[in-house]
Amino acid sequence: DAKTTQPPSMDCAEGRAANLPCNHSTISGNEYVYWYRQIHSQGPQYIIHGLKNNETNEMASLIITEDRKSSTLILPHATLRDTAVYYCIVRVGSNFGNEKLTFGTGTRLTIIP
Amino acid sequence: GAVVSQHPSWVICKSGTSVKIECRSLDFQATTMFWYRQFPKQSLMLMATSNEGSKATYEQGVEKDKFLINHASLTLSTLTVTSAHPEDSSFYICSAPDLHGQGRHFGDGTRLSIL
Repeated sequence: DAKTTQPPSMDCAEGRAANLPCNHSTISGNEYVYWYRQIHSQGPQYIIHGLKNNETNEMASLIITEDRKSSTLILPHATLRDTAVYYCIVRVGSNFGNEKLTFGTGTRLTIIP
Repeated sequence: GAVVSQHPSWVICKSGTSVKIECRSLDFQATTMFWYRQFPKQSLMLMATSNEGSKATYEQGVEKDKFLINHASLTLSTLTVTSAHPEDSSFYICSAPDLHGQGRHFGDGTRLSIL
């Protein structure tokens, strides 16, 4: 699986959009970008994933650059409950099959009141 | 929706004790489950992949005789930390893929403290 690079920490004001970047310059054509988050003392939670088109769901939007070497997770209106560590993961496959998931160091996002 | 239930949520034991952690998939069957360990302020590290009806696959550096994994049914995997020592104190998390539903589900973790 391709390696990802994320900033170690970010702050965002409550109510504003939180934009979390991720670099994955060695991504292969059949690798998807996944985002998970981990709130303190809980298990990770799936947020969103995509291949090359931008994706949106009830939690967030995922913007993938045209060359697919980087992506941005957008939380449109951040709340205090969005304070968590966000992990960007690149792996083969769009399904949630039996392949293992490897976590990097992630970005610790703090929402400021 | 589909969830993964992990038990206990926290446990404190004396050194030398063996501790069993259960991971159950609710409302779906999981032929595979994953066990992670997380030390404070660090990321999740995959320990092993649990396979229903067969032996678990361990990551490099993880002692299979120390961390016993049993996946006896399609909804239950257990991790037993044998003869636990203070350095085994950590946050243990299990995960299961819901092949017919949405996503990779994670338990809420077990915080293990060995005195």
